[in-house]
Amino acid sequence: GEKVEQHQSTLSVREGDSAVINCTYTDTASSYFPWYKQEAGKSLHFVIDIRSNVDRKQSQRLTVLLDKKAKRFSLHITATQPEDSAIYFCAARESSGSWQLIFGSGTQLTVMP
Amino acid sequence: EAAVTQSPRNKVAVTGGKVTLSCNQTNNHNNMYWYRQDTGHGLRLIHYSYGAGSTEKGDIPDGYKASRPSQENFSLILELATPSQTSVYFCASGDPTGNYAEQFFGPGTRLTVL
Repeated sequence: GEKVEQHQSTLSVREGDSAVINCTYTDTASSYFPWYKQEAGKSLHFVIDIRSNVDRKQSQRLTVLLDKKAKRFSLHITATQPEDSAIYFCAARESSGSWQLIFGSGTQLTVMP
Repeated sequence: EAAVTQSPRNKVAVTGGKVTLSCNQTNNHNNMYWYRQDTGHGLRLIHYSYGAGSTEKGDIPDGYKASRPSQENFSLILELATPSQTSVYFCASGDPTGNYAEQFFGPGTRLTVL
């Protein structure tokens, strides 16, 4: 089955700088890749996703890039703000028909003033 | 008005005891999911359901049962709780169609098994 790896467990940036979080996946047939954000002590909520028919998607300060050849996708956050500090989880949807989401282990992003 | 709610929010149980975690959703989603979150592991799927009466095993089902008596409710049952089941548990609902699979998460239940 699908495996998703999130290679950075922590990432620190200065306020106003950009942050990039990288993920890799194993199943070439995967077609849907969402990102979720978890603020301290809270639940997860959806932030952005990308489908395999495009290689880039932008929503305000968030951009997701998808490289299907390398089986890699990344979340780019520009002009970071303190409220961007959170754990970010990448995920990939199983292609087997169950439509499960397979999550990465999470990246703790800290935006320092 | 939260669409996915969980109860209890915190639970302390004893080893060998029975624990039931409850989840309710008002999204009218067919699919519901139970995950546990542990540092270094992210979210791991325990059980999921396609609708009332259906339960399916996820990636780590051992030691857990699930029950989906209605569209709105999905329970996770630990018949004989063990300290290794100490974790934060999240319930989610979703309606994956085509290429869309967003899930909506509840607030989580922190379970400690002593």
